[in-house]
Amino acid sequence: QKEVEQNSGPLSVPEGAIASLNCTYSDRGSQSFFWYRQYSGKSPELIMFIYSNGDKEDGRFTAQLNKASQYVSLLIRDSQPSDSATYLCAVNKDNFNKFYFGSGTKLNVKP
Amino acid sequence: GAGVSQSPSNKVTEKGKDVELRCDPISGHTALYWYRQSLGQGLEFLIYFQGNSAPDKSGLPSDRFSAERTGGSVSTLTIQRTQQEDSAVYLCASSRGQQLMNTEAFFGQGTRLTVV
Repeated sequence: QKEVEQNSGPLSVPEGAIASLNCTYSDRGSQSFFWYRQYSGKSPELIMFIYSNGDKEDGRFTAQLNKASQYVSLLIRDSQPSDSATYLCAVNKDNFNKFYFGSGTKLNVKP
Repeated sequence: GAGVSQSPSNKVTEKGKDVELRCDPISGHTALYWYRQSLGQGLEFLIYFQGNSAPDKSGLPSDRFSAERTGGSVSTLTIQRTQQEDSAVYLCASSRGQQLMNTEAFFGQGTRLTVV
């Protein structure tokens, strides 16, 4: 069983819509959760992190964490074509901050 | 340095040759990761170093792959007898090796390896 699971997509949404990206993790001991964005040909870059149950908002982005269901999501409101990228979910769960990455979900925002 | 530095940025090698890829992590970061990313695919974990602990080599795909980290800083990933299926982007990342909730992993720009 993989530590972090994501649907590979592609997820296609029209411009202006809400994009919902989902991630599940296997270890209940996971402590912190991260969303990275990777544009084609570029390296991943951090968008948000969350470590408490509930929602965390940053501009058009909202991260949602449900530890009971072992589920993390990223909502992108008012999606723009520039949001088209692969979104990687990552968790870390041990005292040494070791990261585990999912394989990523490709998002296409159509003008 | 200011960020994670990888070299070379591009490498073309002949099948059967050995290659070395270098990663210079952010100063003070004790955790270092190597990932491989084939075209259009997700991150494939290769190896993880944390301080002076034994590395987690569970992601290395074969014994042709090895990595070392000298002095807890610079790391070298070596691929022996390269094969065409080794062609990919090799990404290095580093992070603080401490239990800090909001500590992120920072990525280098990667080395694009092409085996011809």
